[in-house]
Amino acid sequence: DAKTTQPNSMESNEEEPVHLPCNHSTISGTDYIHWYRQLPSQGPEYVIHGLTSNVNNRMASLAIAEDRKSSTLILHRATLRDAAVYYCILRPQVTGANSKLTFGKGITLSVRP
Amino acid sequence: DTGVSQDPRHKITKRGQNVTFRCDPISEHNRLYWYRQTLGQGPEFLTYFQNEAQLEKSRLLSDRFSAERPKGSFSTLEIQRTEQGDSAMYLCASSPWDNEKLFFGSGTQLSVL
Repeated sequence: DAKTTQPNSMESNEEEPVHLPCNHSTISGTDYIHWYRQLPSQGPEYVIHGLTSNVNNRMASLAIAEDRKSSTLILHRATLRDAAVYYCILRPQVTGANSKLTFGKGITLSVRP
Repeated sequence: DTGVSQDPRHKITKRGQNVTFRCDPISEHNRLYWYRQTLGQGPEFLTYFQNEAQLEKSRLLSDRFSAERPKGSFSTLEIQRTEQGDSAMYLCASSPWDNEKLFFGSGTQLSVL
């Protein structure tokens, strides 16, 4: 599986935007970039995913570099409830054998009030 | 949509005992996944089912582990002759089809004494 690299941790202030980086220099043309987050004592939760174009949803925005070797998850206004571990994951488009998600350690986001 | 349900939430057992966990996926989700997560690590893939067929098993799934999904709905994960190293959070997830987002349960926390 193609690998992603994320910083171990990041701090943010409440109400401010947060940019969480992810490097994936070995990404292949059919890999989707997925982000999940895990709040304390919960299972992971889907945040957003994309292939080439930037994506927006009610939770966050995903900015994908033109060469696709990096991406950034953007939380527009961090709240205390956004404090979690955020995982950047590459998931192949091919169906069947590559169905699973492979998690790394993720980045731990702390939000200061 | 009641979400993915896992039972029990917590299990404490003595080394050498057998334990069984249950996962009820979201209705009509035909893919079901089991993951294991230890403290400070991301979830590790164990196995997944498409309907009742077990399509992939991780090398982490030793002979003491067995998973079933007999009618393509709920699934069970059994660990025989538990060891202290089996202590972890066991997470279940489901998805409606391939390359769709995964929905995770809150997990079963296993402690082996």
